[in-house]
Amino acid sequence: GAVVSQHPSRVICKSGTSVKIECRSLDFQATTMFWYRQFPKQSLMLMATSNEGSKATYEQGVEKDKFLINHASLTLSTLTVTSAHPEDSSFYICSAHDRDTYEQYFGPGTRLTVT
Amino acid sequence: AQSVTQPDIHITVSEGASLELRCNYSYGATPYLFWYVQSPGQGLQLLLKYFSGDTLVQGIKGFEAEFKRSQSSFNLRKPSVHWSDAAEYFCAVGATSGTYKYIFGTGTRLKVLA
Repeated sequence: GAVVSQHPSRVICKSGTSVKIECRSLDFQATTMFWYRQFPKQSLMLMATSNEGSKATYEQGVEKDKFLINHASLTLSTLTVTSAHPEDSSFYICSAHDRDTYEQYFGPGTRLTVT
Repeated sequence: AQSVTQPDIHITVSEGASLELRCNYSYGATPYLFWYVQSPGQGLQLLLKYFSGDTLVQGIKGFEAEFKRSQSSFNLRKPSVHWSDAAEYFCAVGATSGTYKYIFGTGTRLKVLA
């Protein structure tokens, strides 16, 4: 199957700082990528849909000014957590939609800890 | 609206026993259906998927699932569980058009007794 990478895999930052997470589709072009958040022992919650060359679509309750998403190319989407606080600590997972197979391919996730 | 229900939060089985994980969905048409497995601190691995055709789907690691339209179900089965199958299992519904979003169930945590 297709490969999606995320960087970094783990990050620790201080409260008030911003953190950028990258999601790359390595062997196919993805016009649509998705960002999920997963709390410990819980399911994946869709945060937003990232569309190449246009604004992201955020799910209800997700602060778009806090979670900035940029999808500048067909292989890269970034999620920036701005002014991070301890409650933003979570496991963030991205996925890339393959138009040919109709599947989403998931990255390995990024563990964010805000101190 | 799409939704996915996994009624069992935790399941414990003995190694070698059979397994069935339940998944019920709500969707306006025939959806795309998926089962994923997640080990602690790891990403998701696709076990199997259903798009159309044969309602009994074979996946990796000896898993299979059956799509039953009349019951809006897509239960995951394995005839003989191995200790390495202990993990979290997620059922997901995928939209067949438009945004192609997935909606995940709450997950079932499988524990395997030696």
